[in-house]
Amino acid sequence: DGGITQSPKYLFRKEGQNVTLSCEQNLNHDAMYWYRQDPGQGLRLIYYSQIVNDFQKGDIAEGYSVSREKKESFPLTVTSAQKNPTAFYLCASSLGLAGSYEQYFGPGTRLTVT
Amino acid sequence: GENVEQHPSTLSVQEGDSAVIKCTYSDSASNYFPWYKQELGKRPQLIIDIRSNVGEKKDQRIAVTLNKTAKHFSLHITETQPEDSAVYFCAASTTYNQGGKLIFGQGTELSVKP
Repeated sequence: DGGITQSPKYLFRKEGQNVTLSCEQNLNHDAMYWYRQDPGQGLRLIYYSQIVNDFQKGDIAEGYSVSREKKESFPLTVTSAQKNPTAFYLCASSLGLAGSYEQYFGPGTRLTVT
Repeated sequence: GENVEQHPSTLSVQEGDSAVIKCTYSDSASNYFPWYKQELGKRPQLIIDIRSNVGEKKDQRIAVTLNKTAKHFSLHITETQPEDSAVYFCAASTTYNQGGKLIFGQGTELSVKP
């Protein structure tokens, strides 16, 4: 899991602003995922990507957007359309179709919107 | 879609006792079941996983069992230690046609008292 980085660790934004969370991995993994975690709850899938230039919506994609222009990078944009964006955001990656589906997580970004 | 239920939500044990956490899943096509440990403010860490062609897997003090007929799987921790205190999440995935996306349970907060 040391090969997955997320930045920044803490992020503060005003309501109505879009914000982009970074996720980079040097594990040569094909698949990448974004999850949201709220206090006392499990992780919920926002978006995932199995290969470059392709991604699919997860269970709670509304108000979020992603891109996958490079294998190593899978940034998540939280738009002003997301009703309750304050949460802990976790990025993960796995070998995916190339092999194992074991997912390894980055350290997370804690986003606070006021 | 897939749904994963996890019980109990909190579990308190004395050091040295065993702890058992149970999960049920709804999609009979699920074939991969990982368990994650998350310490406060940290990323989830994969501790053990099991695939649908195996009924039980052990790794030192940790074991996971799977009952495909009943669609439930369990995490067993023996000889618990204070450092086992954390939130544990189960998850289920259908790896071959859904990009390996994980559906998580709600989590179990385990407290091991010295």
